[in-house]
Amino acid sequence: DGGITQSPKYLFRKEGQNVTLSCEQNLNHDAMYWYRQDPGQGLRLIYYSQIVNDFQKGDIAEGYSVSREKKESFPLTVTSAQKNPTAFYLCASAFLGGEQFFGPGTRLTVL
Amino acid sequence: QQQVKQSPQSLIVQKGGISIINCAYENTAFDYFPWYQQFPGKGPALLIAIRPDVSEKKEGRFTISFNKSAKQFSLHIMDSQPGDSATYFCAASIGGGSNYKLTFGKGTLLTVNP
Repeated sequence: DGGITQSPKYLFRKEGQNVTLSCEQNLNHDAMYWYRQDPGQGLRLIYYSQIVNDFQKGDIAEGYSVSREKKESFPLTVTSAQKNPTAFYLCASAFLGGEQFFGPGTRLTVL
Repeated sequence: QQQVKQSPQSLIVQKGGISIINCAYENTAFDYFPWYQQFPGKGPALLIAIRPDVSEKKEGRFTISFNKSAKQFSLHIMDSQPGDSATYFCAASIGGGSNYKLTFGKGTLLTVNP
């Protein structure tokens, strides 16, 4: 887990609500990533950012939004438009072109 | 379209045995192939990685074998231990710098029996 923190560890959401997952890193990494993990599906990239105030869509960006106002922070908002949000969400960070380090994850459950 | 195919989905090995996990890729532009280890409820951690200019890389009990012509690479865990029980993911990416995005396989759940 190193210098990457994710909060909360567990999150419960009612249908129709937006929720924001926190990701903070103190490794001075340039790039940050959000992945979604479902059982038997591996990790799928939602959004990534290589520099402050800039980010790109990954493979499954629909229903999600992000911001990168500070180098150390990359929050992910799961909107009500995400049809199946229950999953394990992983944040990662890296120096550009370097190894990605992952946080401990947030498990989101929709009630 | 799944760009990195991983097999088997699950694997049971006796303590001291060899665990072998295979991955195949389709995109010949991939040039970095890492393996990640994940314990339940935790984030993945980099185990070992290889670039296509070498055919094998060894770190302790873990070895990556790479076959560029077949577009396949595999992880070998020698003298497997119960503490190796985890989910293993292979991955691939194109280039470094501004385009370092990982494409993951679906994972292999390894169980090492004592």
